[in-house]
Amino acid sequence: GGIITQTPKFLIGQEGQKLTLKCQQNFNHDTMYWYRQDSGKGLRLIYYSITENDLQKGDLSEGYDASREKKSSFSLTVTSAQKNEMAVFLCASSRQGWGAETLYFGSGTRLTVL
Amino acid sequence: AQSVTQPDARVTVSEGASLQLRCKYSYFGTPYLFWYVQYPRQGLQLLLKYYPGDPVVQGVNGFEAEFSKSNSSFHLRKASVHWSDWAVYFCAVSMKTNTGKLTFGDGTVLTVKP
Repeated sequence: GGIITQTPKFLIGQEGQKLTLKCQQNFNHDTMYWYRQDSGKGLRLIYYSITENDLQKGDLSEGYDASREKKSSFSLTVTSAQKNEMAVFLCASSRQGWGAETLYFGSGTRLTVL
Repeated sequence: AQSVTQPDARVTVSEGASLQLRCKYSYFGTPYLFWYVQYPRQGLQLLLKYYPGDPVVQGVNGFEAEFSKSNSSFHLRKASVHWSDWAVYFCAVSMKTNTGKLTFGDGTVLTVKP
């Protein structure tokens, strides 16, 4: 088995601030994902990466940057935090990124912007 | 574009009663379909997934789901609900291409009454 570790678990920022979320996986999976979860809503894909140094935009990439410098890690940056923004950011991985594969999720980073 | 609709935002059942959570999808062709569960303060975990083949899929913890192409549905069922099933349930659809990107429904919150 493996695990996905997201840090920090809670992140409080100020309006306009640049904030970085980190994700590590020890599954040795090729593909990693960042999803945003708003209260009462489903998950929306922000970025994904099919291999080291690869980045692909999802449906919600505006306002975010991502970085995949190692196979095991995938970072997400909120480029300018929006006031009153509250969401949970979930990192996930899958073996190769094929459509039928299972995604394995971390427990999330909860963002609050004051 | 693919989409998923979970028409029930909240469902309440008594412990020991049967359960059905509804999911309708929109997709050109035959998709891969998933049910994920999210327990409080955790990431999502796979319950079951559908590949083209037998329409009834068995999952973990006594859950099953039935695919219907004619109804564009993938409803989740359980014969006898336990208090530990209290969680949020997400239906998701994936394309067959090698991206592994999932489109999620908004989720159904399951509450279990003693």
